[in-house]
Amino acid sequence: GENVEQHPSTLSVQEGDSAVIKCTYSDSASNYFPWYKQELGKRPQLIIDIRSNVGEKKDQRIAVTLNKTAKHFSLHITETQPEDSAVYFCAASKGPPSNTGKLIFGQGTTLQVKP
Amino acid sequence: NAGVTQTPKFQVLKTGQSMTLQCAQDMNHEYMSWYRQDPGMGLRLIHYSVGAGITDQGEVPNGYNVSRSTTEDFPLRLLSAAPSQTSVYFCASSTSSRTPRIGYTFGSGTRLTVV
Repeated sequence: GENVEQHPSTLSVQEGDSAVIKCTYSDSASNYFPWYKQELGKRPQLIIDIRSNVGEKKDQRIAVTLNKTAKHFSLHITETQPEDSAVYFCAASKGPPSNTGKLIFGQGTTLQVKP
Repeated sequence: NAGVTQTPKFQVLKTGQSMTLQCAQDMNHEYMSWYRQDPGMGLRLIHYSVGAGITDQGEVPNGYNVSRSTTEDFPLRLLSAAPSQTSVYFCASSTSSRTPRIGYTFGSGTRLTVV
């Protein structure tokens, strides 16, 4: 089955710097890659996603890149702010048109943005 | 529109007791899943369902049962609670519809302690 590895497990940056979190996946049939943000004591929330027919996607200060050949994808946060401090999870699944509904997560990255 | 509703929010069980964690969604989503979250281990998939009457095992199914008799409800049953099942449990739902997003929506979680 699918296995998702996420690095680093913790990341500390200064406010205004960029942060990069990387994930690798094992199942070449996976084609949907979402990223979730979880603040302390709260539920995970989807922040951005990418499908395998796209190499990069941006949404304001966050972007995700995908390298299908190498089977890895990354989350980039620019101009980090203290409110970006949270745990970030990557995930992978077989999305549409053959959506299996089986979403596998990485282990998470705790991002700390220092003021 | 309440989204994904989980009950209870907190529960303490004695070893060997059984209980059911409830999950309901009002978004007419086909896909529903149960995850457990443990420190340093991310979100691990317990069971998932692609529609009423259809369920399948995830990464860590042992000790848990599920059923999906309706589209709205996806209860998780602990057959004989063990301390290793102490965790935070999240229910999530998703749809195969391509727009606006196909990411999972999570419930607020159930914090379970087995003593």
